Amino acid sequence: GESVGLHLPTLSVQEGDNSIINCAYSNSASDYFIWYKQESGKGPQFIIDIRSNMDKRQGQRVTVLLNKTVKHLSLQIAATQPGDSAVYFCAENAGSQGNLIFGKGTKLSVKP
Amino acid sequence: GAGVSQSPSNKVTEKGKDVELRCDPISGHTALYWYRQSLGQGLEFLIYFQGNSAPDKSGLPSDRFSAERTGGSVSTLTIQRTQQEDSAVYLCASSQVGGIQPQHFGDGTRLSIL
Repeated sequence: GESVGLHLPTLSVQEGDNSIINCAYSNSASDYFIWYKQESGKGPQFIIDIRSNMDKRQGQRVTVLLNKTVKHLSLQIAATQPGDSAVYFCAENAGSQGNLIFGKGTKLSVKP
Repeated sequence: GAGVSQSPSNKVTEKGKDVELRCDPISGHTALYWYRQSLGQGLEFLIYFQGNSAPDKSGLPSDRFSAERTGGSVSTLTIQRTQQEDSAVYLCASSQVGGIQPQHFGDGTRLSIL
């Protein structure tokens, strides 16, 4: 069946270091992927998205990489800050309607 | 407001009661989604609206769950005869159109069934 999963459930990094959060997906037909950040008591906040016709997309301090060959997605955060501490979810689209399938999340902790 | 608004933010009710959750999407967004998030878990899709119609209800877990959307804007999710396993955070998201578009989420309704 379709699934989106994460390699690392928790990640602890030092402030100023770069962070890499990984995600595996199983539906080779998925053509849209998205990363969200969720802080405690809040809804998921959109970070960055990428379509399957791209392999890299950059935003402000964030980069998403897509490797369709091995069905792998990653989120890179440059110069990680304490405010980046949150749970990060990857998600893939499940069809043309756009409803998303989410992974279980990776908790990122940034040590000052 | 500028974002997706959900109410109430918290709801505690007794098993067997009905509850109604409300979502006010971003103005102009035609697509609206409901998800459920259990403690420490990812989000589970429930239902999708395009305008007032619901082309995809595949995620509703049982016939106790229903949703409607009126005027292409506000949506309500109703759970009848609540059970303890219904306890979760119910999240609403909207996007400009359905399909490959970023979905923007509200902060959810935390539902606790005693």
